[in-house]
Amino acid sequence: GDSVTQMEGPVTLSEEAFLTINCTYTATGYPSLFWYVQYPGEGLQLLLKATKADDKGSNKGFEATYRKETTSFHLEKGSVQVSDSAVYFCALSSGGGADGLTFGKGTHLIIQP
Amino acid sequence: NAGVTQTPKFQVLKTGQSMTLQCAQDMNHEYMSWYRQDPGMGLRLIHYSVGAGITDQGEVPNGYNVSRSTTEDFPLRLLSAAPSQTSVYFCATKKNRDRGWNTEAFFGQGTRLTVV
Repeated sequence: GDSVTQMEGPVTLSEEAFLTINCTYTATGYPSLFWYVQYPGEGLQLLLKATKADDKGSNKGFEATYRKETTSFHLEKGSVQVSDSAVYFCALSSGGGADGLTFGKGTHLIIQP
Repeated sequence: NAGVTQTPKFQVLKTGQSMTLQCAQDMNHEYMSWYRQDPGMGLRLIHYSVGAGITDQGEVPNGYNVSRSTTEDFPLRLLSAAPSQTSVYFCATKKNRDRGWNTEAFFGQGTRLTVV
């Protein structure tokens, strides 16, 4: 079945540091890939997505590129801020079966001033 | 525009009690689902619905029932609560089957349930 693997953390960085959160996946067919972010006490919200190979999703300074050859969708940001502290979930949707999203376990990111 | 509304936000139950977690959406989305979030486990799909009158099981359906009598509402029922059901529950919606459901999911703010 489908699965998503991501580093769990917590990942602690200083403000203005470079961020990479790795995400790899296994799936049948051609899934769409997503990064969701969960701020403390809130639900998940979509950060960015990519629907086909080599697509780059971007939002709020975050980027991720759909790499079919390495089955990866790593999240990057050049300069993080304290307000980026949250839990980040990588997810895929293959559109079959349960039609739901398959999530990674989440990466807790802590940015220190 | 309220989006996806979950009630209650917090709940404490005793083992064996029953309750219903409510989820309502005003976006006219066809697809609705329930997830549970547990530490170190990420989110796992409990039940889902592709439209009014249609429901199906997800990854972890045991101990939960659902129904979908309207497009707007998708309640999750715990018939006899157990400590293993202590979790944070999220309701999510998607617009429709466009491109195989590969569209953005919208989440409610969650219900934190504790079973003692």
